[in-house]
Amino acid sequence: QKEVEQNSGPLSVPEGAIASLNCTYSDRGSQSFFWYRQYSGKSPELIMFIYSNGDKEDGRFTAQLNKASQYVSLLIRDSQPSDSATYLCAVTGYNKLIFGAGTRLAVHP
Amino acid sequence: NAGVTQTPKFQVLKTGQSMTLQCAQDMNHNSMYWYRQDPGMGLRLIYYSASEGTTDKGEVPNGYNVSRLNKREFSLRLESAAPSQTSVYFCASSFSGTSGRGVGETQYFGPGTRLLVL
Repeated sequence: QKEVEQNSGPLSVPEGAIASLNCTYSDRGSQSFFWYRQYSGKSPELIMFIYSNGDKEDGRFTAQLNKASQYVSLLIRDSQPSDSATYLCAVTGYNKLIFGAGTRLAVHP
Repeated sequence: NAGVTQTPKFQVLKTGQSMTLQCAQDMNHNSMYWYRQDPGMGLRLIYYSASEGTTDKGEVPNGYNVSRLNKREFSLRLESAAPSQTSVYFCASSFSGTSGRGVGETQYFGPGTRLLVL
């Protein structure tokens, strides 16, 4: 079993819709959870992190964490074509982050 | 404030050649990391340095060596390049590895080095 699992996609959503990206992790000891966005040919950039159960909102982005279910998600409201990218989930391990393989999101006009 | 810088941006090597990828950060971070990214494989950790003077193996260390030259610089060396090492290499840094509140562990990435081994 992979330590961090994400559906590879592509997840295709129409412009203006809500995109829902999901991630599960195996280590119950993980404390912090991250979402990165990576455009094609570019490096990953941080969208947001979360460490408490529940929701955390930042603009159009909402991260949701459920430690009991070992599940973290990212909601993107009012999706725009510029949101088309690969979204990487990461969780803390010992002195490092463990990344999922990413979900490719395509927002079509 | 340049963040994390990497050199070179692109390199072509022949099998058996050696090279060193350079990484530097100006954010006073303690921890630094080297990843490789292959299509469909996500980011795989090669080596990391939790603090100046320490280095540890990651998920895929074979064929690589690292040097934490000082707090700012962390280099990755390929002693004898192989076609399987064709990849995009990212360096990243963070303030620490284990603060438990997200801020410390947030990693910032360099622009990457695209390596082709023929």
